[in-house]
Amino acid sequence: GAVVSQHPSWVICKSGTSVKIECRSLDFQATTMFWYRQFPKQSLMLMATSNEGSKATYEQGVEKDKFLINHASLTLSTLTVTSAHPEDSSFYICSARRAPATDTQYFGPGTRLTVL
Amino acid sequence: GENVEQHPSTLSVQEGDSAVIKCTYSDSASNYFPWYKQELGKRPQLIIDIRSNVGEKKDQRIAVTLNKTAKHFSLHITETQPEDSAVYFCAAVFTGGGNKLTFGTGTQLKVEL
Repeated sequence: GAVVSQHPSWVICKSGTSVKIECRSLDFQATTMFWYRQFPKQSLMLMATSNEGSKATYEQGVEKDKFLINHASLTLSTLTVTSAHPEDSSFYICSARRAPATDTQYFGPGTRLTVL
Repeated sequence: GENVEQHPSTLSVQEGDSAVIKCTYSDSASNYFPWYKQELGKRPQLIIDIRSNVGEKKDQRIAVTLNKTAKHFSLHITETQPEDSAVYFCAAVFTGGGNKLTFGTGTQLKVEL
């Protein structure tokens, strides 16, 4: 159990377009999901915390109007990168925490975004 | 906020040798310390974790130690194998504060034949 999926696994888009990434917990309910960004050869940096039914909490320096997060159900959170630019190219990874809340976060397989 | 330092950034060992990776955290309120293994282009995989009420935990060839006073925790891998080659990340979290993971900078472990 505790499987998290992401879709798409990779995406290439033109500069100025928007891209939506989905994160799903397949066999458990997740009250909280987290979105991370990882640049090549770097660590995972938390972008935002997404709670079901409420607004996401963004980390300092992350533009909430650029990275739109929606957590509409206990099994789905989406990240939309709006007006993407080449510097947004990165590996985006989500994680989910079971409900009721526990310590362990289960990670999705990641989405490789390339903005041309 | 929490800050986690991790050393070394790269580590090369011979197959069969032991590998040790060390992390230091800044927030004394942190109470949960997971370790992740990440292969290139893949998701981080939890390999072991420790809570602040425990000083040491072992799972086969992997062990983690925690020194709360010094705010240090370490990963020990014994009898290393080529398939242990990957990037390892430590993390710290205060479970009463939103459960946000703060990751270390990562250690590229290479196990040579």
